[in-house]
Amino acid sequence: GAGVSQSPSNKVTEKGKDVELRCDPISGHTALYWYRQSLGQGLEFLIYFQGNSAPDKSGLPSDRFSAERTGGSVSTLTIQRTQQEDSAVYLCASSFHRGRTEAFFGQGTRLTVV
Amino acid sequence: DQQVKQNSPSLSVQEGRISILNCDYTNSMFDYFLWYKKYPAEGPTFLISISSIKDKNEDGRFTVFLNKSAKHLSLHIVPSQPGDSAVYFCAASASVGQNFVFGPGTRLSVLP
Repeated sequence: GAGVSQSPSNKVTEKGKDVELRCDPISGHTALYWYRQSLGQGLEFLIYFQGNSAPDKSGLPSDRFSAERTGGSVSTLTIQRTQQEDSAVYLCASSFHRGRTEAFFGQGTRLTVV
Repeated sequence: DQQVKQNSPSLSVQEGRISILNCDYTNSMFDYFLWYKKYPAEGPTFLISISSIKDKNEDGRFTVFLNKSAKHLSLHIVPSQPGDSAVYFCAASASVGQNFVFGPGTRLSVLP
């Protein structure tokens, strides 16, 4: 597609359930980032993938969070045993090279944990 | 410890006037800076960037200024238009391969 695509756009889940968020980056982009934005906050870095290198997981807030990127393209962010504080907009972005060019963002997935 | 700071949570400007959004950073390794604009319910969109080898970059109504010694950059929008009303994020990255670090954002309101 022409841009970064995220699904679902909205997700409401019960506390304690697992959720999966999907990101389709722009074709040809080797770098893929996950960020989240909690209400009234800035963008918080979660995890970064660059090509076939080991991902930078330094931003993941707990071991309930994990992400994978299959075939260097589509990425899935998984949150296990969701908590209310996980409620946020989860944003995915992709770019040609890490940190050197602008990243293009998807529209985000709004996650609400009730 | 915030590495990228935007100390003004909000700013209101009259249409036609100049909007100046400020950003400060603490990490001297940052050498590439970007500004993003975000409308409600949409992802951030890239506006303009600047490398540390420059002190100014201009694109239409948008100009970014970088003062490396002060670790400060600013985004100027002139003339401001009502459609510019959005949240503006400053972001930075380092050549050693760090991720984009974002500031908390400044909400700009351009009043007609």
